[in-house]
Amino acid sequence: SQQGEEDPQALSIQEGENATMNCSYKTSINNLQWYRQNSGRGLVHLILIRSNEREKHSGRLRVTLDTSKKSSSLLITASRAADTASYFCATEDDMRFGAGTRLTVKP
Amino acid sequence: EAQVTQNPRYLITVTGKKLTVTCSQNMNHEYMSWYRQDPGLGLRQIYYSMNVEVTDKGDVPEGYKVSRKEKRNFPLILESPSPNQTSLYFCASSPSGTFEKLFFGSGTQLSVL
Repeated sequence: SQQGEEDPQALSIQEGENATMNCSYKTSINNLQWYRQNSGRGLVHLILIRSNEREKHSGRLRVTLDTSKKSSSLLITASRAADTASYFCATEDDMRFGAGTRLTVKP
Repeated sequence: EAQVTQNPRYLITVTGKKLTVTCSQNMNHEYMSWYRQDPGLGLRQIYYSMNVEVTDKGDVPEGYKVSRKEKRNFPLILESPSPNQTSLYFCASSPSGTFEKLFFGSGTQLSVL
């Protein structure tokens, strides 16, 4: 089975709210990456966090990594309808994607 | 424009008729890979290539072939397609030579009747 597994499977929020999704993995990693997929389109790389980093920011995105718990979280602040998409995590070591978190942001 | 180009975008074929899905990148990336995406199963890796003439199986290689004769191209070949290969296929490449910061193509929706 894949290393990175996202949680929750689906998340629905109102525009302006924050969205948090989580990723758990099983073994030690070099890095963990988050991707976004708009319906039926190719994935887009969002952010990469390395094993020696605890937090990383990119615009409205904040990613944390807890290697002791083997987990990562992706926070999208002040969400917009355009953030509606599926979000996936993956690790370089495993090269696998989970089933993703389906985020719906209602206007 | 830097991109990964897949063709065709949509393909309907019949069981047993050989087909090729092309993938080309113009970024001089060494790492390229193919995925299939099915509802509820996420993306599963079919094959990947770390460099020219080097290819390796992913999680679901059965029924597929690939070749990497030049750095920019990584075609996916279905010698005898079957209905269970109906899926959405993605090609991806990476600038780092490994599974990192992947650039994805727009996808190929394949239906095998």
